[in-house]
Amino acid sequence: GQNIDQPTEMTATEGAIVQINCTYQTSGFNGLFWYQQHAGEAPTFLSYNVLDGLEEKGRFSSFLSRSKGYSYLLLKELQMKDSASYLCAVRDHDGGSQGNLIFGKGTKLSVKP
Amino acid sequence: EAQVTQNPRYLITVTGKKLTVTCSQNMNHEYMSWYRQDPGLGLRQIYYSMNVEVTDKGDVPEGYKVSRKEKRNFPLILESPSPNQTSLYFCASSFPQYFGPGTRLLVL
Repeated sequence: GQNIDQPTEMTATEGAIVQINCTYQTSGFNGLFWYQQHAGEAPTFLSYNVLDGLEEKGRFSSFLSRSKGYSYLLLKELQMKDSASYLCAVRDHDGGSQGNLIFGKGTKLSVKP
Repeated sequence: EAQVTQNPRYLITVTGKKLTVTCSQNMNHEYMSWYRQDPGLGLRQIYYSMNVEVTDKGDVPEGYKVSRKEKRNFPLILESPSPNQTSLYFCASSFPQYFGPGTRLLVL
């Protein structure tokens, strides 16, 4: 079956570093996305990985290991505004279907002073 | 301004009364999709469209229909809504996905 797992909730301190893990089992793989979603708002795109390795974008970095079915999102220098849900999503590519995007249930991050 | 718009933003309806949620994007994107988001279940894809006249089922297509007659519009149709379709709905376009603001639907 297809499954994406990420922790339900995490808490971190302002100024610290936090790593949000995501493991996936999908029938195909055509890229992994991370989104941020503040309460009551639409998700917004953070990062994209299709090859193994680390992608860095300012305070945010994302890592992918396709052989392990594993990714993480690293947030540095945490700010209060980073309190949000972080969604991991895998673009499937099974049997010719190229558009199926499967989301994890999201990790709710609370940043405390 | 580049955006994805959805209408209505909020809707209360009754079981069995057909409704359409419109979605429009002004970025000339070929790919569009619909999701529903429920507490504890996350975002689940309902339908997607790779291009005009090409649509495919996502993970939870039952009870929904879509059409893609032109590139900018991708309406979601509930022919006979039921209470289990009460949810927050998002339309999105392109990869990575640009999401619309969401439509909160309550089916009584």
